[in-house]
Amino acid sequence: GAGVSQTPSNKVTEKGKYVELRCDPISGHTALYWYRQSLGQGPEFLIYFQGTGAADDSGLPNDRFFAVRPEGSVSTLKIQRTERGDSAVYLCASSLQPGTSEQYFGPGTRLTVT
Amino acid sequence: AQSVTQLGSHVSVSEGALVLLRCNYSSSVPPYLFWYVQYPNQGLQLLLKYTTGATLVKGINGFEAEFKKSETSFHLTKPSAHMSDAAEYFCAVSDRYGGSQGNLIFGKGTKLSVKP
Repeated sequence: GAGVSQTPSNKVTEKGKYVELRCDPISGHTALYWYRQSLGQGPEFLIYFQGTGAADDSGLPNDRFFAVRPEGSVSTLKIQRTERGDSAVYLCASSLQPGTSEQYFGPGTRLTVT
Repeated sequence: AQSVTQLGSHVSVSEGALVLLRCNYSSSVPPYLFWYVQYPNQGLQLLLKYTTGATLVKGINGFEAEFKKSETSFHLTKPSAHMSDAAEYFCAVSDRYGGSQGNLIFGKGTKLSVKP
């Protein structure tokens, strides 16, 4: 079956612009996670959805970052007033349920802020 | 707060040699433990996980890891390296309880090179 997909695969934007990154999870997976992976680092947790609601957004670095999952499936990560430090690979993962269920990762969106 | 330490950002072994990738965690309560692998230009893939029960866990591609509570470790091993094992490996932990259950805390990763 289809895995987790993310679009776009690459995004180049200018400092100060707004960007949206999309994640399509595996059908039927109720839990959805966003992570950010900077060069040479492991993925860093950003936000976790259970259904439509954000169960834990403690990893969002500041209020320029926001994510939604209005129908409990597709999720969009939104970044306002982008900064060069936001450049990273943004990973999305989904799982059947939170906890011990395996998280299936998408290929990521590489964001470059110039 | 939980943390994960992976000793050695780069490990190089010869084909056929033992692979040992080290992972130590810091947590007041033993967490769930995971190893993920990331091949070039591909997404993260779960190798194995420990949640409960037997402390020696077997995963895909001949890898295994042992949870040692007294050493707060979860080292990854494979008896005989293959060229196709060259990739980056990440150790991760998550809480057993609470609102952050499921959120993975990753180490910085260890890049494995396999020499012919």
